[in-house]
Amino acid sequence: DIQMTQSPSTLSASVGDRVTITCRASQSVGSWLAWFQQKPEKAPKLLIYKASLLESGVPSRFSGSGSGTEFTLTISSLQPDDFATYYCQQYDTSFSYTFGQGTKLEIK
Amino acid sequence: QVQLVESGGDMVQPGRSLRLSCAASRFSFSSHSMHWVRQAPGKGLDWVAVISYDGSNKRYADSVKGRFTISRDNSKNTLELQMSSLRVEDTAVYYCARGDIVFDGTIVPLPLDHWGQGTLVTVSS
Repeated sequence: DIQMTQSPSTLSASVGDRVTITCRASQSVGSWLAWFQQKPEKAPKLLIYKASLLESGVPSRFSGSGSGTEFTLTISSLQPDDFATYYCQQYDTSFSYTFGQGTKLEIK
Repeated sequence: QVQLVESGGDMVQPGRSLRLSCAASRFSFSSHSMHWVRQAPGKGLDWVAVISYDGSNKRYADSVKGRFTISRDNSKNTLELQMSSLRVEDTAVYYCARGDIVFDGTIVPLPLDHWGQGTLVTVSS
């Protein structure tokens, strides 16, 4: 089955920094890739879908790119509310709906 | 505003069974596939199962195949997860989430765009 690998597992950054998280798929998933943000004790929140489309209501400092097997989530200027854990997930219906292992974004 | 409310979480002994429910409202439930996703304490998200909009297709993660059964009742806007032969490693918060939509007979892939608040299942002796 498809494996989704995120890097890094932990990222320390400061408010105002630009950060990038990478997600790699073991096989091509086309553009069927979503990014989620999760805060402690809360359900995940959809940020990006179809690799690069911004979910309604999500700030424009979030962006996604990539296709096939390599994808990135970029936050252009970190805000205090952005410190959370981020997950990628592939939703190509040919495969299981695998999540990446997560990237915890911490305050430096 | 789409609403998904899970219920049924409890503490059970290994080997026992438990049924989770998810009540859906404020969207066309019968037009969407539905998922269960779980998260063990301190761990990442783990996809569990999906059921098609009409209940005709079901898929499971290998870790639960043969032990869990996903079902839905479109007349009641409810999704269920019947869990049997529970193991300690099934301990997690279980979320229901909305997925693909059927439009004019064509299934349009969608991400899991709305999630419930989760219900906690603890498997322990």
